[in-house]
Amino acid sequence: AQSVTQLGSHVSVSEGALVLLRCNYSSSVPPYLFWYVQYPNQGLQLLLKYTSAATLVKGINGFEAEFKKSETSFHLTKPSAHMSDAAEYFCAVSEGQGGKLIFGQGTELSVKP
Amino acid sequence: DTAVSQTPKYLVTQMGNDKSIKCEQNLGHDTMYWYKQDSKKFLKIMFSYNNKELIINETVPNRFSPKSPDKAHLNLHINSLELGDSAVYFCASSQEGRQQFFGPGTRLTVL
Repeated sequence: AQSVTQLGSHVSVSEGALVLLRCNYSSSVPPYLFWYVQYPNQGLQLLLKYTSAATLVKGINGFEAEFKKSETSFHLTKPSAHMSDAAEYFCAVSEGQGGKLIFGQGTELSVKP
Repeated sequence: DTAVSQTPKYLVTQMGNDKSIKCEQNLGHDTMYWYKQDSKKFLKIMFSYNNKELIINETVPNRFSPKSPDKAHLNLHINSLELGDSAVYFCASSQEGRQQFFGPGTRLTVL
């Protein structure tokens, strides 16, 4: 069975600081991995996805994530946080791009001025 | 142009009532999904339809019944609503195993 663990339900950074949101996965098959962002009272928007191509994946809004098979991790980073990055971030895994998504618990990112 | 739309956006109802949430996608996708997000923001798949055929049915009470009249629509009907059904319900769609696009969600409150 697949599962996702996001370390830290809440992360707070200062504007301009590095953003690091942690995600570890468990999967018996090569995984497809995703990061979604949810702004307050809105739906989920795809930030980026890993589909067995390049291990370093670049997404929208300056975010990127690196797939590390040895560590079963897919951490999300952004070099410099903006106030507009404040939102809930979800890591998810599936057996295929269109298969059901198994989500982590979510990490709320706060950005301080 | 809204890609995946849901109606209503908010739904407040009494315990025991029956209600429906509608989802429409104009992306031409062949697969649609329903997810439930609980009060702790945890998201879980409920159902998935491919070309109007049910392909994923997670452990969901029988009170929940999805209906897909055509490829562009996937509605969720809930009978005998309970307090624990209060949540945000998200519809999503995808094409041929590609990424899923999510709707804006329907916030259901059962009193």
